Amino acid sequence: GDSVTQTEGLVTLTKGLPVMLNCTYQTTYSPFLFWYVQHLNEAPKLLLKSSTDNKRTEHQGFYATLHKSSSSFHLQKSSVQLSDSALYFCALTHDSGYNKLTFGKGTVLLVSP
Amino acid sequence: DTTVKQNPRYKLARVGKPVNLICSQTMNHDTMYWYQKKPNQAPKLLLFYYDKILNREADTFEKFQSSRPNNSFCSLYIGSAGLEYSAMYLCASSRRTGGNTLYFGEGSRLIVV
Repeated sequence: GDSVTQTEGLVTLTKGLPVMLNCTYQTTYSPFLFWYVQHLNEAPKLLLKSSTDNKRTEHQGFYATLHKSSSSFHLQKSSVQLSDSALYFCALTHDSGYNKLTFGKGTVLLVSP
Repeated sequence: DTTVKQNPRYKLARVGKPVNLICSQTMNHDTMYWYQKKPNQAPKLLLFYYDKILNREADTFEKFQSSRPNNSFCSLYIGSAGLEYSAMYLCASSRRTGGNTLYFGEGSRLIVV
């Protein structure tokens, strides 16, 4: 079945530094990849999504490129802010059957002053 | 309006007692989902409704029940809560087709004692 791997459980950074959160996936279907962000006591919200190979997707300063050759969809930002502190989920669905989302375990990003 | 509401936000239940969690959405989505999230684990799909058709995941088939009296509402029912049911329960909705964004509620935190 489908799976998503996020290798970092916790990333701590000083504001202004760049960040990359890793995400790799496995599926036998054509994938749709998502990044969701969940701030404390809030609902998970869509940050980015993509199904196009080798095309960079950007939103709110974050960006990611789906690479089907390496089954990756890493999330990056060039300069993190205090407000970026949150839980980030990578997730996968595909174009076969129902729209069932498979999640990674999530990465907590903590940004300090 | 991309709103998914969940009630209650917090629930304390005794072992062996029933638990009913409620979710509503205002986007006229045909599919509603329930995920279970435990610390340091990926959100796990429990079941989903496409229209009036209930689909339960194989490994949670007998542990959870659900109803969808109309398009906007969906419930998650635990007949006899055990300690292992302590978790955050996330409701989401989307259109059925793969690749559509899931919109999440803030979650219902269940603690079973």
